Amino acid sequence: KAGVTQTPRYLIKTRGQQVTLSCSPISGHRSVSWYQQTPGQGLQFLFEYFSETQRNKGNFPGRFSGRQFSNSRSEMNVSTLELGDSALYLCASSSLDIRETQYFGPGTRLLVL
Amino acid sequence: SQQGEEDPQALSIQEGENATMNCSYKTSINNLQWYRQNSGRGLVHLILIRSNEREKHSGRLRVTLDTSKKSSSLLITASRAADTASYFCATHQYSGGGADGLTFGKGTHLIIQP
Repeated sequence: KAGVTQTPRYLIKTRGQQVTLSCSPISGHRSVSWYQQTPGQGLQFLFEYFSETQRNKGNFPGRFSGRQFSNSRSEMNVSTLELGDSALYLCASSSLDIRETQYFGPGTRLLVL
Repeated sequence: SQQGEEDPQALSIQEGENATMNCSYKTSINNLQWYRQNSGRGLVHLILIRSNEREKHSGRLRVTLDTSKKSSSLLITASRAADTASYFCATHQYSGGGADGLTFGKGTHLIIQP
């Protein structure tokens, strides 16, 4: 099976702009989670989607949002970008059978100038 | 907030030696996982150990779990240059809606010297 794919891989934006990142899970996986990784805060959970519904959310401001489509593909959006949003954004998918194990994509590296 | 804290933060050993890294966590868990990350790329799942297990093996990996001390260790035997990576322990927080996202530690950066 193909792994988790994320697009774009690299992105440069300026403060105040918004950005949309995309994630395609492993075929058959219906759960998609998003994480932010920064040198200072490490890996932090953003939110999880399952069957087009946000099931869980981490401690991030409302500028961070996401959605999931009927084919399980997911997007996350960050509005009014701040310098501190520069990070590696990782998407992960999991199956119903082994929900705890997550399969990660290569990430989207976002730089906010 | 960080649930797991890895120790040491960085470890440099010679190829062929064994590498041991530790993880401590704060709250009760159902399972603990270890992931590897190569140079700022995506994470790769290595092994999952459940709270009722004390030790688990997978190839050159050996994981132990001590729930009384809220700690886990990852041992990589006969290390190779390709093992150079950052290693993270991770746990799930469980709420009424099921498992929340994974909570990761800061990671141990392992360098294998040729």
